[in-house]
Amino acid sequence: TQLLEQSPQFLSIQEGENLTVYCNSSSVFSSLQWYRQEPGEGPVLLVTVVTGGEVKKLKRLTFQFGDARKDSSLHITAAQPGDTGLYLCAGAIGNDMRFGAGTRLTVKP
Amino acid sequence: DSGVTQTPKHLITATGQRVTLRCSPRSGDLSVYWYQQSLDQGLQFLIQYYNGEERAKGNILERFSAQQFPDLHSELNLSSLELGDSALYFCASSVQDRASYGYTFGSGTRLTVV
Repeated sequence: TQLLEQSPQFLSIQEGENLTVYCNSSSVFSSLQWYRQEPGEGPVLLVTVVTGGEVKKLKRLTFQFGDARKDSSLHITAAQPGDTGLYLCAGAIGNDMRFGAGTRLTVKP
Repeated sequence: DSGVTQTPKHLITATGQRVTLRCSPRSGDLSVYWYQQSLDQGLQFLIQYYNGEERAKGNILERFSAQQFPDLHSELNLSSLELGDSALYFCASSVQDRASYGYTFGSGTRLTVV
């Protein structure tokens, strides 16, 4: 059983659509990160959220950390084919970082 | 280029053999983390070093060991290899010894055991 559950596991949408992916846990995290990984490459850090209820925007991506610091969401507006990849959330508990299994997003032109 | 360098990029070896994976962290980063990524297990934390000392251990098998050298590069040694050890092995680095603000990952080493 994963400490962090990500949903959906797979998502295939058309260019221009909006989407939200979720990262849920029963544990409280001191911080939570989102990464994007492309085939054959390592994960790339997109954002770190630290405060419960925090919302961060990165161009078309909006990240939210739950009030209780147990969950997070990533919303993408007007998805583009370049957004295709594996989106991973990772939660920090002390010095321990745990990764979810990821959401594999495909954006079709 | 993330600044974290991993070599080799690909490695094919036979069961029972021993291999060494190498990682150079981003300049200025003192912490090195090793992760294993397989299709069915996702990213699994193996071990962390901070400034030459072991800081945390995850699901690392006894057949695996690692170390961080004075110049801060790190090596992951995998011995008595089994087919199930085939996976992507990632190294990541961070400035601090705590994970709170995220890591910089290398491009990984793809290990295939045949």
